[in-house]
Amino acid sequence: DAGITQSPRHKVTETGTPVTLRCHQTENHRYMYWYRQDPGHGLRLIHYSYGVKDTDKGEVSDGYSVSRSKTEDFLLTLESATSSQTSVYFCAISPPTFSGSGYNEQFFGPGTRLTVL
Amino acid sequence: EDKVVQSPLSLVVHEGDTVTLNCSYEVTNFRSLLWYKQEKKAPTFLFMLTSSGIEKKSGRLSSILDKKELFSILNITATQTGDSAIYLCAVEQIIIQGAQKLVFGQGTRLTINP
Repeated sequence: DAGITQSPRHKVTETGTPVTLRCHQTENHRYMYWYRQDPGHGLRLIHYSYGVKDTDKGEVSDGYSVSRSKTEDFLLTLESATSSQTSVYFCAISPPTFSGSGYNEQFFGPGTRLTVL
Repeated sequence: EDKVVQSPLSLVVHEGDTVTLNCSYEVTNFRSLLWYKQEKKAPTFLFMLTSSGIEKKSGRLSSILDKKELFSILNITATQTGDSAIYLCAVEQIIIQGAQKLVFGQGTRLTINP
């Protein structure tokens, strides 16, 4: 398994509180991603990072921010959690597209189940 | 708008049956199409398809891509209860500087009954 961990693995919080999820990798990969998974939607990209301090928005970024101060850690913050952010959050990593064979799949972390009451 | 559509959304079959899962897409800057299997945890990689008409096989699973008609199929023969899972189709889209983004379909929930 790719060296990706997520913390916490489960969290229950209340509406309006800030929440930070952490993704940690030991692969030294440049690219990191945060997805959320909800029934009927597959996985949807929230934010991604293409290097330290380099991040950009995905398709469902409203209400979320990210930070990447070092290669191995990618943090996802819910500034003020809402019930619509109850979901399972997955972090993923991948090496650069043009490294090695030229095609590289994304590897996923174990996920964080977040419940906002 | 980029989209990936999978069908059926849910499928229940008996052990030993053969199943075909479908994935159609409309995604700009296409690079590849991937299939993942998801049990009660993180998605695990099955196949990556980059060229039309070349079948990828792994045991009882196989997949093929048609870049002209913009679809892919995943076949599972002689199904077993361990094949029960959600199967996710994703299209890799080039963003910038060698990074890729995955656009996922909704998933097909496959249930194999003994």
